[in-house]
Amino acid sequence: AQSVAQPEDQVNVAEGNPLTVKCTYSVSGNPYLFWYVQYPNRGLQFLLKYITGDNLVKGSYGFEAEFNKSQTSFHLKKPSALVSDSALYFCAVRDGQAGTALIFGKGTTLSVSS
Amino acid sequence: DAGVIQSPRHEVTEMGQEVTLRCKPISGHNSLFWYRQTMMRGLELLIYFNNNVPIDDSGMPEDRFSAKMPNASFSTLKIQPSEPRDSAVYFCASSRTGANYGYTFGSGTRLTVV
Repeated sequence: AQSVAQPEDQVNVAEGNPLTVKCTYSVSGNPYLFWYVQYPNRGLQFLLKYITGDNLVKGSYGFEAEFNKSQTSFHLKKPSALVSDSALYFCAVRDGQAGTALIFGKGTTLSVSS
Repeated sequence: DAGVIQSPRHEVTEMGQEVTLRCKPISGHNSLFWYRQTMMRGLELLIYFNNNVPIDDSGMPEDRFSAKMPNASFSTLKIQPSEPRDSAVYFCASSRTGANYGYTFGSGTRLTVV
């Protein structure tokens, strides 16, 4: 079975400060990890993914995420937050076996204040 | 590319009525997924198809829910009869087959059952 946890319902940061949105996962095989963002009344948009290789993955809009196998974590980060980054962020995982579906966390609301 | 197209965007119906949600995946994507989003339960996988064949429908809440994919360019999710607790945003997503591919989501259908 696979699962993903986002321990924080909401993260608040000031504009210009670094941000971190946390994600931990559980999967039997090799984890394939994804981050998505959802703006109000919109569908989910792909940010970045980790399949294999470097543990630090860079994605859209200046976001990056660090894969940590020992801690089974895949935290989303950005060095300097923007007010426009305020949105709902989802971490997702699937087993490396082809044909399995992504399982999403419950989401973390990021609020960036000016 | 028009992306994943869902219709209708909004649906308000009375309890007991039949509701049909529609989805057109991206051309060339062999996998299609239906998710439901609510405040209480987050994003839940309902069912997914590979090459038009249902692979896992274990997330379908009960027999009132059914999904079909008669061809590679069209899928429906039907609720009959609908109940107020079915009120949610229903998302369709598609991807190429393979664990390393992310999903492209539609804009969703907001269903309200009164």
